[in-house]
Amino acid sequence: QKEVEQNSGPLSVPEGAIASLNCTYSDRGSQSFFWYRQYSGKSPELIMFIYSNGDKEDGRFTAQLNKASQYVSLLIRDSQPSDSATYLCAVPRESFNKFYFGSGTKLNVKP
Amino acid sequence: EPEVTQTPSHQVTQMGQEVILRCVPISNHLYFYWYRQILGQKVEFLVSFYNNEISEKSEIFDDQFSVERPDGSNFTLKIRSTKLEDSAMYFCASSGDEQFFGPGTRLTVL
Repeated sequence: QKEVEQNSGPLSVPEGAIASLNCTYSDRGSQSFFWYRQYSGKSPELIMFIYSNGDKEDGRFTAQLNKASQYVSLLIRDSQPSDSATYLCAVPRESFNKFYFGSGTKLNVKP
Repeated sequence: EPEVTQTPSHQVTQMGQEVILRCVPISNHLYFYWYRQILGQKVEFLVSFYNNEISEKSEIFDDQFSVERPDGSNFTLKIRSTKLEDSAMYFCASSGDEQFFGPGTRLTVL
């Protein structure tokens, strides 16, 4: 079983719509969860992280965590063509010794 | 805003040669990492470094690889005898409460 799983996509949404990206993880003891955006040929860029069950909002982005079901999601409101990228979910072990990355979901936002 | 920097941005080398990739992590961060991403594939963890020693390494990080923090600011990844399959993007990252990535070094082994 993979540590972190994501649907590879591509996920296509029209401009202005809400994009919903999902991630599941295998270690029930995981405490924190990170979302990164990666444009082609560039490095991962941190969007946000979440520790607590429920929602965390930052601008157009909302992270949602459900530890009982072992999934974390990222919602992007008012999607823009510039949001077209691959979104990576990352889960660190305790003490941040190692981060497990999902394979990423490719998002296409169509004008 | 502090950022992780990496040099060089692109390194071309011949198979069997040694390469050193350099990184300057964010100054008040305690954890440092190297990752690899082969074209079109996922980001793969190589090694983490904490308190001046390796804290964890993956099965990819074999005897061909080594890391050093030669001074208070630099963090290096050495590949002793490069193979064709070492061609990839290599990312350095550092973390405090959040993990930030550097821009990467594209390594091409011919």
